[in-house]
Amino acid sequence: SQLAEENSWALSVHEGESVTVNCSYKTSITALQWYRQKSGKGPAQLILIRSNEREKRNGRLRATLDTSSQSSSLSITATRCEDTAVYFCATDAGSNAKLTFGKGTKLSVKS
Amino acid sequence: AQTIHQWPVAEIKAVGSPLSLGCTIKGKSSPNLYWYWQATGGTLQQLFYSITVGQVESVVQLNLSASRPKDDQFILSTEKLLLSHSGFYLCAWSTDWGYAEQFFGPGTRLTVL
Repeated sequence: SQLAEENSWALSVHEGESVTVNCSYKTSITALQWYRQKSGKGPAQLILIRSNEREKRNGRLRATLDTSSQSSSLSITATRCEDTAVYFCATDAGSNAKLTFGKGTKLSVKS
Repeated sequence: AQTIHQWPVAEIKAVGSPLSLGCTIKGKSSPNLYWYWQATGGTLQQLFYSITVGQVESVVQLNLSASRPKDDQFILSTEKLLLSHSGFYLCAWSTDWGYAEQFFGPGTRLTVL
């Protein structure tokens, strides 16, 4: 079974709007990471949030973590066309470096 | 600055043929290295990881093997390709064990016919 998964397959917004991608996971974790993958490229990390943190920000990005409900969210404000990508959450249990990625949410930002 | 290079950029191979994909990391000594596979439109699945030269751990069995012949080089190979091997292969590195950020290469697109 998936250890991490995003809750929406695809989202579409207009430039300037805000959007939130949600993720749920099924085991206790050391940390949760959000990655963005643009078409034909390798993923790039956006935010890492540790299990003892509740919120982390990086510019227009804000990630939250709720360990009691085993869920996380990534919010993007003032979206731009270049935010169009697939967003993955990834978790690890702290052992053997295995990072488990969710299925991904495809975000389209339209002008 | 660290750079990660993967080769080839893309391959089209016949079922049953051998395969070798490579990955090189420059500017970082003793990185942890990883191989991932991604089906078109799918998630990333970790295949192998290595924390030191000559040692590789398998995460999933997909009739593939990996080797780390040098500190900065990671090789993925198989003697006999299957249709199911088609996809996007990504190499990544990290500085630490566990939950550290992983830095991904540009990937190799493999099509098996």
